[in-house]
Amino acid sequence: GENVEQHPSTLSVQEGDSAVIKCTYSDSASNYFPWYKQELGKRPQLIIDIRSNVGEKKDQRIAVTLNKTAKHFSLHITETQPEDSAVYFCAASGTYSTLTFGKGTMLLVSP
Amino acid sequence: NAGVTQTPKFQVLKTGQSMTLQCAQDMNHEYMSWYRQDPGMGLRLIHYSVGAGITDQGEVPNGYNVSRSTTEDFPLRLLSAAPSQTSVYFCASSYGGSNEKLFFGSGTQLSVL
Repeated sequence: GENVEQHPSTLSVQEGDSAVIKCTYSDSASNYFPWYKQELGKRPQLIIDIRSNVGEKKDQRIAVTLNKTAKHFSLHITETQPEDSAVYFCAASGTYSTLTFGKGTMLLVSP
Repeated sequence: NAGVTQTPKFQVLKTGQSMTLQCAQDMNHEYMSWYRQDPGMGLRLIHYSVGAGITDQGEVPNGYNVSRSTTEDFPLRLLSAAPSQTSVYFCASSYGGSNEKLFFGSGTQLSVL
């Protein structure tokens, strides 16, 4: 089955800096790659996603890049703010719309 | 439109007890799934369903049963609770097919003593 590796497990940045989280996947048949943000005690919320026929997607301060050949994708957050502090999960699609998740990255943005 | 509704929010069980976690969605989604979340382990798929009457196992199905008699409901049953099942459980749904965008319920925090 699909295996998703996510790095780093924790990331500390200063407010205004950029943050980058990287994921690799194993199944070349995966074609959908979402990113979820989870605040403490809350449910995961979709923040951005990308399909395999697209190399990059941007939504305001958040962008995702995909390298299908290398089987890796990354989340980029620019001009980080304290409210960006959360756990971020990457995922890759499998059979029948199942998603395999990475183990998460705890992002801490210090004022 | 309530989205995905899970009950209960919290539950404490003794080893060997059984219980059912309820999940309902009102978005007419075909696909529903259950994940468990443990510290440092991410979200792991327990069971999923691609439509009423159809279920299949995910990555960590042992000790859990599911059924899907209606499009709206997808309950998760713990047959004989064990301390290893202490976790936060999330139900999720999507339209399925080429629309995999997953919507999560608010979660159930389960402790097995």
